[in-house]
Order: sequence, then C-alpha cells, then structure tokens
Amino acid sequence: GQQVMQIPQYQHVQEGEDFTTYCNSSTTLSNIQWYKQRPGGHPVFLIQLVKSGEVKKQKRLTFQFGEAKKNSSLHITATQTTDVGTYFCAGNFNKFYFGSGTKLNVKP
Amino acid sequence: NAGVTQTPKFRVLKTGQSMTLLCAQDMNHEYMYWYRQDPGMGLRLIHYSVGEGTTAKGEVPDGYNVSRLKKQNFLLGLESAAPSQTSVYFCASSTWGSSYEQYFGPGTRLTVT
Repeated sequence: GQQVMQIPQYQHVQEGEDFTTYCNSSTTLSNIQWYKQRPGGHPVFLIQLVKSGEVKKQKRLTFQFGEAKKNSSLHITATQTTDVGTYFCAGNFNKFYFGSGTKLNVKP
Repeated sequence: NAGVTQTPKFRVLKTGQSMTLLCAQDMNHEYMYWYRQDPGMGLRLIHYSVGEGTTAKGEVPDGYNVSRLKKQNFLLGLESAAPSQTSVYFCASSTWGSSYEQYFGPGTRLTVT
C-alpha cells in the first residue's frame, strides 16, 4: 500500500546542534505537510509544501520538497530545548498518510 | 473559539464493552477525521468525513463506526472493544480536503483491559 517512511525514529542532540528528519514515499505526492507534537500534546501544523523542489523557511526550520515530489526533509539549525517533540510528515495521496515520526530530544 | 474538542479525555473499558467518542469543532470545517496513534506507528486514519451526512473508511476502519449527523460533530463508536484498540485517539478537522492544514483535538486515551 501507499506508505510514507520517516527516518530516523529517534534523535538525541546537544542544544545548539543541528537536526534533520527525512520523509520518503515510493509514490509521487500531491503535497506534503509537517506537524510537530510536543510530549503529551496533539499534532500542530507547521507547513505545507506543494511544488517540486520547494524550499520554505520558518526561523531556524528549513523544509524541502524533492524534485520528484517523493521525498522531503525538515532541518532545524542550532536546536533549542523548545524544539523537543516528535516531528511528523504527512504525504498526500488524496488522503494523508502520516510517517511514523522522529522523536527529538535536546539536552541542555 | 474552542477549536477542536474531544470527549472524554480518558477512558478504561473492559473487553466487549462499547463506547462513543465525541469530537466537536467550531470552525465550520467541512472535513473531519479520526486517527489512532500507537507508539512507533505515527497516526493512522480510521475514518473521515467530507461533509455532513457523509463518512468514508480510512486506513484502519475495522472495529469502528462513525457518524456525522451535524457538521460540527463527528462521533467514533466502538461496538465491542478489544485490547488491540488500546490507543490514543485524535480527531482533526480541515477547511476542505487534503490540501489544507488539519487542526487536531487534544486526544482521548483509551485503555481496553
């Protein structure tokens, strides 16, 4: 079936280090969304990418959509403790299929 | 605006019992969704609705039923709960379909013993 694979499953970084999570699909996506879920909380929308090769930035966060629209990445520069949480991508195949998430832990 | 609310927040059921989870949104959204979240598996779509009176199956619909009698409410029913349905359930809504951001409720933690 249609799946969205996300790696890594966990990432532990020291505060100030960079972090990247990757999302891959075997099928071309219409668009991709990214969500953040804080511990004990609910997913919160971060951004949507639609165009091939698109790059969007939100302060220290950089989101990319691959040229073939089959992969995407989220990069955080100089992590802070407030970045702790699980980051999910959600690929659109008419319905959204969420990746399994990357749990980020930041040590102060 | 309260956004998306879910009732109850926690529930413990015995195997074979039934229950209904209620989701309500005050944003006049057309689309509503029910997901379950299990450790290491992300969010999996159970059922969704594209408008009042309509429902459709998602990725993992077995053992669940839904109803959308009013635009603002989306109900998820478990007719005969099983331990495999122990999970955190999230409701979400969006303006239209999958090109729009989803707004999630706070979740319901369900344990089936």
